[in-house]
Amino acid sequence: DTGVSQDPRHKITKRGQNVTFRCDPISEHNRLYWYRQTLGQGPEFLTYFQNEAQLEKSRLLSDRFSAERPKGSFSTLEIQRTEQGDSAMYLCASSWGGSETGELFFGEGSRLTVL
Amino acid sequence: ILNVEQSPQSLHVQEGDSTNFTCSFPSSNFYALHWYRWETAKSPEALFVMTLNGDEKKKGRISATLNTKEGYSYLYIKGSQPEDSATYLCAFISGGYNKLIFGAGTRLAVHP
Repeated sequence: DTGVSQDPRHKITKRGQNVTFRCDPISEHNRLYWYRQTLGQGPEFLTYFQNEAQLEKSRLLSDRFSAERPKGSFSTLEIQRTEQGDSAMYLCASSWGGSETGELFFGEGSRLTVL
Repeated sequence: ILNVEQSPQSLHVQEGDSTNFTCSFPSSNFYALHWYRWETAKSPEALFVMTLNGDEKKKGRISATLNTKEGYSYLYIKGSQPEDSATYLCAFISGGYNKLIFGAGTRLAVHP
């Protein structure tokens, strides 16, 4: 296993379009997280899954954002009717929930630019 | 609202200098404190996970300390090298939660 992979790495879209990002976590990890990072800020929590269950979603997250993790493996993050303020780096991370350390393993991110 | 503060925001040092950064977090209901290094065009990588008050961790030239009672952690880099140039993020987990709350990071540039 080569780690967490995200696709696409870069996405440029026009305002109002829908975009979808995919994350493939490390195979034995049961937890999967989505974070968003904008310039000058640290990663901001969006949502997380334990297996296929979405256990928490940020209250700051608009209804235009939805995430799924069917079968508890890969996850998708969809943004509907994109706005310029959605431009950011979207980071996915996974971890093994049984680990005492809870260390997150991150992908390289998907950078979204909304024109 | 849980808030994690890091200082300084950015730092420029010469090769060979030693440096340190600060991470401040809520001291109540502490569970764990993480440090990550994020190099440009790469993914963030964990440096340390610290859980106990007074913890000291070391990895090569990098070390970290933790004070949960007063809510701060220090990251030290001894003899900085250009390859240490990165953004250093700290992140806090509160008891009963499963998500990391990140600070904005300290961007370190080490000049040859």
